[in-house]
Amino acid sequence: QSVLTQPPSVSGAPGQRVTISCTGSSSNVGAGYDVHWYQQLPGTAPKLLVYGNSNRPSGVPDRFSGSKSGTSASLAITGLQAEDEADYYCQSYDSSLSVYVFGTGTKVTVL
Amino acid sequence: QVQVQESGPGLVKPSETLSLTCTVSGGSISSHYWSWIRQPPGKGLEWIGYIYYSGGTNYNPSLKSRVTISVDTSKKQFSLKLSSVTAADAAVYFCARGKALAVAGGGWFDPWGQGTLVTVSS
Repeated sequence: QSVLTQPPSVSGAPGQRVTISCTGSSSNVGAGYDVHWYQQLPGTAPKLLVYGNSNRPSGVPDRFSGSKSGTSASLAITGLQAEDEADYYCQSYDSSLSVYVFGTGTKVTVL
Repeated sequence: QVQVQESGPGLVKPSETLSLTCTVSGGSISSHYWSWIRQPPGKGLEWIGYIYYSGGTNYNPSLKSRVTISVDTSKKQFSLKLSSVTAADAAVYFCARGKALAVAGGGWFDPWGQGTLVTVSS
């Protein structure tokens, strides 16, 4: 039920900026539902990175930032670090399916 | 701070019922939503359902006929039962607290438990 589409992978050198897109539709992101982002390090549980499109929980570095426009959202990571190598998922709500939906996931590789 | 921890059998036979429990520590179970989410090995995340501390539930329509989520506030636990399991139900099952799930803008999940792997095999 991955109705939120993300690129399978993105990569960047240490210190660079990378962005991850999350494309939805008129029944989820485009309907005004907020987008949230999670980081999943290998073998661990997802960790909340951004909530309500652009808010960071306490303890999340300001290198991570989220934005939303229309039917899409983006997560930007600036000053990429080796510890940022992980899978990233966006999440929203879909009113047509009546479910909380997650993106297809993006693997970030630090070169 | 609130922590959640899953527990339950790691192996379930096909056609039987998967049963997992999530224990809440470091905070109150009251006035919050509590959710189950699963992740098949090497795949993405799927929301299963949530329960409000007072007992109200909301399930993923694709699983609704087989899912029951219940809560025991005295034990600070909530549970998942998934009936008639098949190989397709093999996954890491996570419990998590839901935030703002009843708000019009949609909510999120935080924190998450470490997850428990459930294998379906005879």
